[in-house]
Amino acid sequence: AQSVTQLGSHVSVSEGALVLLRCNYSSSVPPYLFWYVQYPNQGLQLLLKYTTGATLVKGINGFEAEFKKSETSFHLTKPSAHMSDAAEYFCAVTTPAGNQFYFGTGTSLTVIP
Amino acid sequence: IAGITQAPTSQILAAGRRMTLRCTQDMRHNAMYWYRQDLGLGLRLIHYSNTAGTTGKGEVPDGYSVSRANTDDFPLTLASAVPSQTSVYFCASSGQGNYGYTFGSGTRLTVV
Repeated sequence: AQSVTQLGSHVSVSEGALVLLRCNYSSSVPPYLFWYVQYPNQGLQLLLKYTTGATLVKGINGFEAEFKKSETSFHLTKPSAHMSDAAEYFCAVTTPAGNQFYFGTGTSLTVIP
Repeated sequence: IAGITQAPTSQILAAGRRMTLRCTQDMRHNAMYWYRQDLGLGLRLIHYSNTAGTTGKGEVPDGYSVSRANTDDFPLTLASAVPSQTSVYFCASSGQGNYGYTFGSGTRLTVV
């Protein structure tokens, strides 16, 4: 079975500051990992994903995440926050043969001008 | 249609009434899913379908049913709505390889 823990349900950063959203996973087999973003009153959009290969993956809007097997982590970062980054972010895990994705409870990002 | 279409966008429903939430995709994805999203609980899987003609139960299936008569459509039915089913419901689909979901824009359901 798989699961995801997102540390911090609310994160606030100043505009231009580093964004760090934490995600730790549990999986008995090599995982596929994802970050999704949800803007108010919208569905979820895929930000980036890790399946195999390079452990540092780059996504849309300047976000990136690094798969660290030893730490069972897949933290999301962005060097410089923009006001438009304010949203809810979800980490998710599945496996190559998995039937479903398991989502974390989400982290709400606020960007302070 | 581009992606996943959900209908209605929002609905207020009297307790005890029957309601079907519609979901249609045009990407020919084999797998489809229904999630509910509640504050502090994230997204929880209600039912899924790996391919047309098959369905399975997710984490919170009680009070809900689904059908998958064809590849494109995956309706979710609440046979007798209760207030605890007040939520935002998302339909999603995925193609081969488990490389990510495509989500619909959601249905906001309020049961009173």
